[in-house]
Amino acid sequence: NAGVTQTPKFQVLKTGQSMTLQCAQDMNHNSMYWYRQDPGMGLRLIYYSASEGTTDKGEVPNGYNVSRLNKREFSLRLESAAPSQTSVYFCASSADGTANYGYTFGSGTRLTVV
Amino acid sequence: LAKTTQPISMDSYEGQEVNITCSHNNIATNDYITWYQQFPSQGPRFIIQGYKTKVTNEVASLFIPADRKSSTLSLPRVSLSDTAVYYCLVGIDKLIFGTGTRLQVFP
Repeated sequence: NAGVTQTPKFQVLKTGQSMTLQCAQDMNHNSMYWYRQDPGMGLRLIYYSASEGTTDKGEVPNGYNVSRLNKREFSLRLESAAPSQTSVYFCASSADGTANYGYTFGSGTRLTVV
Repeated sequence: LAKTTQPISMDSYEGQEVNITCSHNNIATNDYITWYQQFPSQGPRFIIQGYKTKVTNEVASLFIPADRKSSTLSLPRVSLSDTAVYYCLVGIDKLIFGTGTRLQVFP
């Protein structure tokens, strides 16, 4: 099925460990986004990529890095995980970098840092 | 980026019409208004988007007054499966989500 695929779905890390969350879309969208959602809260934008080769900070970029590997893939890296980064991470994409046609979201990665 | 304000929660019964109003006083000229639905343990799902007046699709209607400082999502004849969190967003990119409106539908 067409859409946004995130891997892994679940992950437990120890404080200080690093990991990369993967995101891929097969809709030929130009823009991609990473959000985090804490329990009972709305989504907060971490980083986004308006087009291949560009990335920019969102609301809460500290502690994260991103790579727009190609048009399909946008990864999120935690270099040294902290308990405050325990959250559900959502990747999204949009066709033309605007709100037109809406964003398509993946099913999320549930990350726990102990 | 325009800030939005919407009720924290709403309750309804099956078969009723539900209207959720969102306030966005600082909306910019180029901004669109978009509503998303989120079920537990899932990513948000696009419901409807509009710029002005009224937009209707198979799921919902969106009413936007002339000054565009607010908008109302209308869900006709809700069912139990409409129980979810509904987000109102304003902007053209880098969409910022608030805490949304938690809609609970009772039998």
